Amino acid sequence: DIQMTQSPASLSASLGETVTIECRASEDIYNGLAWYQQKPGKSPQLLIYNANSLHTGVPSRFSGSGSGTQYSLKINSLQSEDVASYFCQQYYNYPPTFGSGTKLEIK
Amino acid sequence: QVKLQQSGAELVKPGASVKLSCKTSGYTFSTSYMSWFKQIPGQSIEWIGMIYAGDGGTGYNQKFKGKATLTVDTSSSTAYMDLSSLTTEDSAVYFCAREAVGHWFAYWGQGTLVTVSS
Repeated sequence: DIQMTQSPASLSASLGETVTIECRASEDIYNGLAWYQQKPGKSPQLLIYNANSLHTGVPSRFSGSGSGTQYSLKINSLQSEDVASYFCQQYYNYPPTFGSGTKLEIK
Repeated sequence: QVKLQQSGAELVKPGASVKLSCKTSGYTFSTSYMSWFKQIPGQSIEWIGMIYAGDGGTGYNQKFKGKATLTVDTSSSTAYMDLSSLTTEDSAVYFCAREAVGHWFAYWGQGTLVTVSS
């Protein structure tokens, strides 16, 4: 199985700041990567697919980038509603596997 | 719009089985793939397996073979997951999710909490 190493595990930032979350795959996943946001007690919500494509309805302050084994999610102009956990997921190979998650809080 | 409505929370005894449901609407169920996931609160997400509603064909994560069995009822546009021989390690929230054109997951159920306790 492809291992996804996500960092940091937790992150605290101020409103309006820009934050970046990283995900490293154990092998090349050829941009087969998605990012999800999950709020407490809720199901994951798709943000990004194909490493850099914004899902319908997701605010443009979210963006994804990367290639090969290294990928990142950037959130510009942090808003209070962005408080959540974020997960990366590779789908290049079965089984799909997820990163360990990043918990984002507001300072 | 696409909706996935999962069954309610379950409290089950060790050794028992439980069947979870995921009732769908808003899209053509019979030509879609449905996946199931396990998440222990505060932890990451694990893919259990998937089923193609068209013919009932399945694929499982090796870790969950023998633990989970996926089925569908196309007449009611509902997917099911049976979990057998439950232990406390099976206590978790289980989600169903529809695969998009690729293998990412744009539509999720609200989750079902399964608690295994005597």
